[in-house]
Amino acid sequence: EVQLVESGGGLVQPGRSLRLSCAASGFNFGAYAMHWVRQAPGKGLEWVSGISWNGDNTEYADSVKGRFTISRDDAKNSLYLEMSSLTTEDTALYYCSRDNSFDYWGQGTLVTVSS
Amino acid sequence: LVVTQSPSASASLGASVKLTCTLSSGHSDYAIAWHQQQPDKGPRYLMRVNSDGIHIKGDGIPDRFSGSSSGAERYLTISSLQSDDEADYYCQTWDTTFQAVFGGGTRLTVL
Repeated sequence: EVQLVESGGGLVQPGRSLRLSCAASGFNFGAYAMHWVRQAPGKGLEWVSGISWNGDNTEYADSVKGRFTISRDDAKNSLYLEMSSLTTEDTALYYCSRDNSFDYWGQGTLVTVSS
Repeated sequence: LVVTQSPSASASLGASVKLTCTLSSGHSDYAIAWHQQQPDKGPRYLMRVNSDGIHIKGDGIPDRFSGSSSGAERYLTISSLQSDDEADYYCQTWDTTFQAVFGGGTRLTVL
């Protein structure tokens, strides 16, 4: 069974950093591209970042470019999102998702940016 | 590239409903994916719909869910509506290999 479990969310002050993790199981993690998608409270889904199966290619939404870094550790079956210079606009539930088809999703981890 | 969805839709229990996703000008040949998000849950992949109307469903998606296409519009049809079909439905396409674009979502109410 494919499982994606996000962690690392929490309350953080504006300007600070946070690192999110996504633990994957039930499939060959190293064979798939992975993505982060977020959802602000009461809003729709917003794609944040994606990384190729081998880590060679990464892409970011304009809203996070230069502040967020996506990475992966295939030995640990884990996906990461390093977030810096956080603003209140980054407050959201952050989901990881498998493959460019977004065929499996986690339950999300909540990031709240507030002073 | 813009993906447009009606904010809301409603239909009666046991009836059918057809949700629409519209691709912006110049992108009418793009494939899309439909995702369902039930209240307080993570999204769930339903299917991919190609420009020729061929749809490929995700694991365990019931036959009640189907996809189709016409021009720049992509459709999700749900038949024999059940109460747990009440959810937000998101249309998603790809701007590049990695960059996804989501529509604003349609909130479906089952009456």
